[in-house]
Amino acid sequence: EAGVTQFPSHSVIEKGQTVTLRCDPISGHDNLYWYRRVMGKEIKFLLHFVKESKQDESGMPNNRFLAERTGGTYSTLKVQPAELEDSGVYFCASSPDRLIGKLFFGSGTQLSVL
Amino acid sequence: AQSVSQHNHHVILSEAASLELGCNYSYGGTVNLFWYVQYPGQHLQLLLKYFSGDPLVKGIKGFEAEFIKSKFSFNLRKPSVQWSDTAEYFCAGPYQTGANNLFFGTGTRLTVIP
Repeated sequence: EAGVTQFPSHSVIEKGQTVTLRCDPISGHDNLYWYRRVMGKEIKFLLHFVKESKQDESGMPNNRFLAERTGGTYSTLKVQPAELEDSGVYFCASSPDRLIGKLFFGSGTQLSVL
Repeated sequence: AQSVSQHNHHVILSEAASLELGCNYSYGGTVNLFWYVQYPGQHLQLLLKYFSGDPLVKGIKGFEAEFIKSKFSFNLRKPSVQWSDTAEYFCAGPYQTGANNLFFGTGTRLTVIP
């Protein structure tokens, strides 16, 4: 069974540019989560999709971040325009249901904003 | 506010040494706690979890953790580390009881010297 896949693994962009991160969850997993880790700090929750609906987006830092999950399959996280403080590792995770303890993570996208 | 704190940022051990990584939690209600590990270049994966019952929890690869309610702690232990245990370790808990939205500690980087 394929795991959670994230593209790209690394992205280096300049301040003011746009970047789109993609996450392909495990097939059949309705729940998809985005997390972010700024260097040296904790991994922070960004948002949670159930199928194509945003269940909880309380962790999104500001309106420069837009997450979508059209069709309830893969998800994208767009940062526009990117700022220096957006640098970090963006993790995606999926789960087959909302029950705790069944969270599967991708390897993350390392975003560097210069 | 709900949180977990990890006091050790970087731990360096020789092979065969014993390991204990600290995690303290701060939240009310039913306590669910996790330890995740991220090996170099890999995704976050679950080491072990505590939901209820026996406070001594066994995980994969010889790891265990003990939930001590009086100390608000959930320390990770391994009696004898191997070079392959070199990784970053994260303590985590849910934002809401039973939910998969997790909050994480800042992580502890473990380096095992052969």
